[in-house]
Order: sequence, then C-alpha cells, then structure tokens
Amino acid sequence: RKEVEQDPGPFNVPEGATVAFNCTYSNSASQSFFWYRQDCRKEPKLLMSVYSSGNEDGRFTAQLNRASQYISLLIRDSKLSDSATYLCVVNIKGGTYKYIFGTGTRLKVLA
Amino acid sequence: NAGVTQTPKFRVLKTGQSMTLLCAQDMNHEYMYWYRQDPGMGLRLIHYSVGEGTTAKGEVPDGYNVSRLKKQNFLLGLESAAPSQTSVYFCASSSPTGSETQYFGPGTRLLVL
Repeated sequence: RKEVEQDPGPFNVPEGATVAFNCTYSNSASQSFFWYRQDCRKEPKLLMSVYSSGNEDGRFTAQLNRASQYISLLIRDSKLSDSATYLCVVNIKGGTYKYIFGTGTRLKVLA
Repeated sequence: NAGVTQTPKFRVLKTGQSMTLLCAQDMNHEYMYWYRQDPGMGLRLIHYSVGEGTTAKGEVPDGYNVSRLKKQNFLLGLESAAPSQTSVYFCASSSPTGSETQYFGPGTRLLVL
C-alpha cells in the first residue's frame, strides 16, 4: 500500500463546477498536511496547508480527518486556470523528517 | 529573492558520464532535498540534508551522491549515469519551524542515452 494515495483522475469538469479530491495516508505519525499544485512540466507550488479544523482560501477549502486518515480539497466555481495536477503531501516527523507525496490528481476544467 | 534555483535546466548525458546538479536557496532554510519525478510515480526523495555538512539517504539514493558544504547549496552528483536516471530532478528547501512549507526549484530535465 502506498503511503499517500490519490485518485489520478483526470477529473474533467465544466467551468463554474465544484470538484473535490480526496487523499488517504497510511502513516499515523503524519503531522503536517499540504496540497500542492503542479502545472505541466513545472515545479510543485504550495496551494495551501491543511489544518486540523479545516481551512479555506478563497474558492479552495481543505479538510483533515485524522481518525480516517484522509484529507480533502474542494474547489468551488472552477476556472480554466485551475487545470493542473494537485499533489497531496504529508510531513512525517520523528527519526526521519520527510515529506511524502501522492502521485497527484489531474484536473481539467473545460470551457 | 530568487527562492530556489537549479542549474542546469536541461542536460543530455551518455551512459557512464558524470555530472553535478546544483541547487541554491536564498531563504536561509536549514533543510534541503533532492527529488526525482517520473511519470506515474510522483516525487521520490533521493537524498536530503537537515543542515550544513549533513546528508541522509531518501527513498531512492542508489547511483547518486550529495554534498552540503554551504548552507545555501545542495549538490547532487551522478558518478556514472544510467538510462534509468532519465528523469526530472527537483530541489526543494524548507525550514523545520514555522509553516514548514517546501519551496521547489524549477527542475532539471536529464536525459541519459
């Protein structure tokens, strides 16, 4: 089982739609959680951190469920510019301080 | 601030050749990382460093060596390149305090023939 799992997609949605991605993680030592966005052939860039109480940044909402070990990303009112791959990332502290990346979920927003 | 920079941006090697990838960051971050990204595999950690003069192996360290002689620089070396090392290489840095966000460089595309 992969440490961080995501549905690879692609999710094809029309402009203005709401879309949600889930990500599950297996290591209970995971302490920090992030969503990154990666455009084709570019570097990953932080979209938002995910906090225990959930958090929102404009059209984006992230949730964390520690009991079930998953995080989610909700995008409202999708824009063409939201088309990208969304990477789920967990940070594991302790003996080895490291980030584990999911393989990403590809989103295509259609006109 | 330039953030994280990587050189070169693109390189073609023949099997058996060696090269060094340079990563530099100007954010005074303690931690630095080298990843490779292959289709369908996501980012995989090659080596990382938690401070100047220290390095540690990641998930896929074989065939690579690293050095962190200065806090701002993290070098990745391929002593004898193999076609399996064809990939996109990303460097990243982070601080163990604060937001813990990783900042990535623009990547190096390496093709080994």
